[in-house]
Amino acid sequence: GAGVSQSPSNKVTEKGKDVELRCDPISGHTALYWYRQRLGQGLEFLIYFQGNSAPDKSGLPSDRFSAERTGESVSTLTIQRTQQEDSAVYLCASSPEGVYGYTFGSGTRLTVV
Amino acid sequence: QQPVQSPQAVILREGEDAVINCSSSKALYSVHWYRQKHGEAPVFLMILLKGGEQKGHEKISASFNEKKQQSSLYLTASQLSYSGTYFCGTSTSGTYKYIFGTGTRLKVLA
Repeated sequence: GAGVSQSPSNKVTEKGKDVELRCDPISGHTALYWYRQRLGQGLEFLIYFQGNSAPDKSGLPSDRFSAERTGESVSTLTIQRTQQEDSAVYLCASSPEGVYGYTFGSGTRLTVV
Repeated sequence: QQPVQSPQAVILREGEDAVINCSSSKALYSVHWYRQKHGEAPVFLMILLKGGEQKGHEKISASFNEKKQQSSLYLTASQLSYSGTYFCGTSTSGTYKYIFGTGTRLKVLA
C-alpha cells in the first residue's frame, strides 16, 4: 500500500479483556516496528521484526504483550488481560532493508476502562 | 539508554532560527530526526550516519558529532509549519532499532 495502515484507529476495552492491534506495512519493507506513546510522552520501543523474525523483544513491558508477523507483511500486537496503564497510542512503523528512516502509521489509540 | 534532548520546549517568531540537541550516553551509529504534529504520526525528517553521510528530504539541516555522542537539528528561518514536537532516535549498533529521545516542543508564532 501507499502507507503504513493500522487498525483499529480507536479501541476502547474493559480492563481484563484481550485486544489485537494490526499493522499493515508498506509493501516491500522488510523491517517493522512497534512503539507505544502515552499522552504527552515520547516513543517507547516495544519490538521490531526483520522479516518474520523478532531479533529484539526487549521492549515488551510484560508477558501480557506479544507480537507476530507473518509473510513478511502484516503484524499483530496482542495485549492480554489489559490494564489501565496499557492505555496509549500504539504506533507501527516500517522501513526498507538498510539504513533508512521509518514511515509511521497513524496509530491505534487504546483506552482501557 | 534513552537520549536526552534539549531544550524541552522553545517558542519562536516566524523567520527565527532554532537548534535542538540530542545527546546519548553511548556511542552512536546513526541518528534519526522526526517531527510530530498534535494528534498525528511522527514524520521522518533526516538520518545521519556514522562517518558523516546524511540523508533527508526537507530544508532542515543537522549535524552528527560522534566524539560527543551528540546530534543537533538546525531550523533556519522557521515557518509556521515547523511547529510540532521533534524527536531524535538513536541507534548504537548497526541494527534498525532506534530509541527515541524525550522530545522538544517547538512553537512558531506569526
